[in-house]
Amino acid sequence: QVQLVQSGAEVKKSGASVKVSCKASGHTFTSYYIHWVRQAPGQGLEWMGIINPSGGSVTYAQKFQGRVTMTRDTSTSTVYMELSSLRSEDTAVYYCASSDGYNFPSQHWGQGTLVIVTS
Amino acid sequence: EIVLMQSPGTLSLSPGERAILSCRASQSVTSSYLAWYQQKPGQAPRLLIYDASSRATGIPDRFSGSGSGTDFTLTISRLEPEDFAVYYCQQSGSSPNTFGQGTKLEIK
Repeated sequence: QVQLVQSGAEVKKSGASVKVSCKASGHTFTSYYIHWVRQAPGQGLEWMGIINPSGGSVTYAQKFQGRVTMTRDTSTSTVYMELSSLRSEDTAVYYCASSDGYNFPSQHWGQGTLVIVTS
Repeated sequence: EIVLMQSPGTLSLSPGERAILSCRASQSVTSSYLAWYQQKPGQAPRLLIYDASSRATGIPDRFSGSGSGTDFTLTISRLEPEDFAVYYCQQSGSSPNTFGQGTKLEIK
């Protein structure tokens, strides 16, 4: 079955960048879109953007435009999310999640990656 | 962007009771691209309902979804102890995808 395994927790200083990976297995890598969703401590879910692993096309939420970059490596079935100019408000658990299509919901989720931003 | 408002914020019920959760959108949700997720502490969200009323794979039939346009409902017919969690609605018909703020279902 589809599995998404994310990289481990990160602690970063304000102003730095973080790159989180999401390795997919159990399905054809290029067949599923990958979303990134984050959740600040005690807060709700926030959608950051989506990447089509087939061609690499991306759509980012306007809030993160200019700070987020989503890429993929088809040779390792891995998707990456890099967030730059980190601030304390970026402290959150970051999830990758797969969907069958651009507008489809996310059936499979990674385990989440905690990113802590310190001053 | 489409804003989703969930109500109530917290719902206190007992096992065996029926739960009705609401999700109201600021604009019509395209093609009923409305989903419901369940999240328990320390876990990733779990897809329950998609396309407003279709149950995801493996979801018990006590969970049902309904609605269209701007008003959607998740109903849990008879609460089991494992159903107490936070529930989110999400629309994916218009970019950016957006989530509601969540409804916490707690044991009374």
